[in-house]
Amino acid sequence: DQQVKQNSPSLSVQEGRISILNCDYTNSMFDYFLWYKKYPAEGPTFLISISSIKDKNEDGRFTVFLNKSAKHLSLHIVPSQPGDSAVYFCAASEYGVVFGQGTRLTINP
Amino acid sequence: DAGVIQSPRHEVTEMGQEVTLRCKPISGHNSLFWYRQTMMRGLELLIYFNNNVPIDDSGMPEDRFSAKMPNASFSTLKIQPSEPRDSAVYFCASSFVGGLAGYEQYFGPGTRLTVT
Repeated sequence: DQQVKQNSPSLSVQEGRISILNCDYTNSMFDYFLWYKKYPAEGPTFLISISSIKDKNEDGRFTVFLNKSAKHLSLHIVPSQPGDSAVYFCAASEYGVVFGQGTRLTINP
Repeated sequence: DAGVIQSPRHEVTEMGQEVTLRCKPISGHNSLFWYRQTMMRGLELLIYFNNNVPIDDSGMPEDRFSAKMPNASFSTLKIQPSEPRDSAVYFCASSFVGGLAGYEQYFGPGTRLTVT
């Protein structure tokens, strides 16, 4: 049973536009949510997080939105840059951490 | 800090052989996680340790897999005997649980395992 789902395996966006990556979860007890970014041949690196008591967290070009009633999380990247091309993992935490399957983002020049 | 160190980076072995993956977490971290990444299932948590004690091993696929953490600076994941379906990238991650950043994990570069 996949508790954290990223339904889009891939996303292609033009440079300078907004990238929106989505994530859904089923466990209402999750209290912390994270996004990780992964380049080929490297381990995932932490990008941004949000506590369940908030609905938005912003860090530079990256903003994470949390909609608890819909059990939905999204990551907005604006403006998108070629270096943002990577696989993005959504993760949620209660006691342990559960990862989604990842979305491959490609930024086209 | 050198970050999380994993060895080997690549391992190719024949079916039935024993495979041992190694991990050195970041100094001062008290939690260690082993993950497996495949195309089909994404990142799966296999097991995690807190203060060297296994807390949740429900993700370990079967008895062929075992993990140990004899001290705070070293962990192993062993597969015996290995099978072709074990081919994947195995990541180790560590974090400090207890502080505000407790949920943020730091990943190693991974070990790419190929079982032929």
